[in-house]
Amino acid sequence: ILNVEQSPQSLHVQEGDSTNFTCSFPSSNFYALHWYRWETAKSPEALFVMTLNGDEKKKGRISATLNTKEGYSYLYIKGSQPEDSATYLCACTYNFNKFYFGSGTKLNVKP
Amino acid sequence: GAGVSQSPSNKVTEKGKDVELRCDPISGHTALYWYRQSLGQGLEFLIYFQGNSAPDKSGLPSDRFSAERTGGSVSTLTIQRTQQEDSAVYLCASGREDYSTDTQYFGPGTRLTVL
Repeated sequence: ILNVEQSPQSLHVQEGDSTNFTCSFPSSNFYALHWYRWETAKSPEALFVMTLNGDEKKKGRISATLNTKEGYSYLYIKGSQPEDSATYLCACTYNFNKFYFGSGTKLNVKP
Repeated sequence: GAGVSQSPSNKVTEKGKDVELRCDPISGHTALYWYRQSLGQGLEFLIYFQGNSAPDKSGLPSDRFSAERTGGSVSTLTIQRTQQEDSAVYLCASGREDYSTDTQYFGPGTRLTVL
């Protein structure tokens, strides 16, 4: 079983704060990392997929980086808004057929 | 275009009963996955279908769990003789052929409660 770990488990920030959280994963045979946002009562929604060491992706105020050698990815949110409140999931794939999900970071942005 | 749909959205059942959960993937998507999320846990992989290949059933927790995918489209996850530990949100996702780097599109999930 491959362990994908996310930290922190939960996070409370004020509107306007910038924040970041971490996804750690085994780097051996790594293939791709996916970030998803899962809002309450909705389906998980894809944010980014990254494969290469040093990859950086950006979507509006949200960005992500990837370090495949040391096995981690950071997700950054600049100027958090209440609508950013959600659980952020990362998932990794390796050279065989499965997505391994972390348990998520639950973000609550207070107005 | 329609996204992934799942039914029912909620299911309450008694311990020992069988349940069937349905997933309608996005049209044309050849890959279909089932996951579940138990309270306080991450997403747990259950089973993966890809085209006409034999499914990867390695995530099914016991032989009470089974899944079918008919005609390469709709999938049904069946849980026999449900137990309280089966209570979870069951999510289905579909994707195109190159699953490892391609996005998975998730359905809204079925919340199963076993009393």
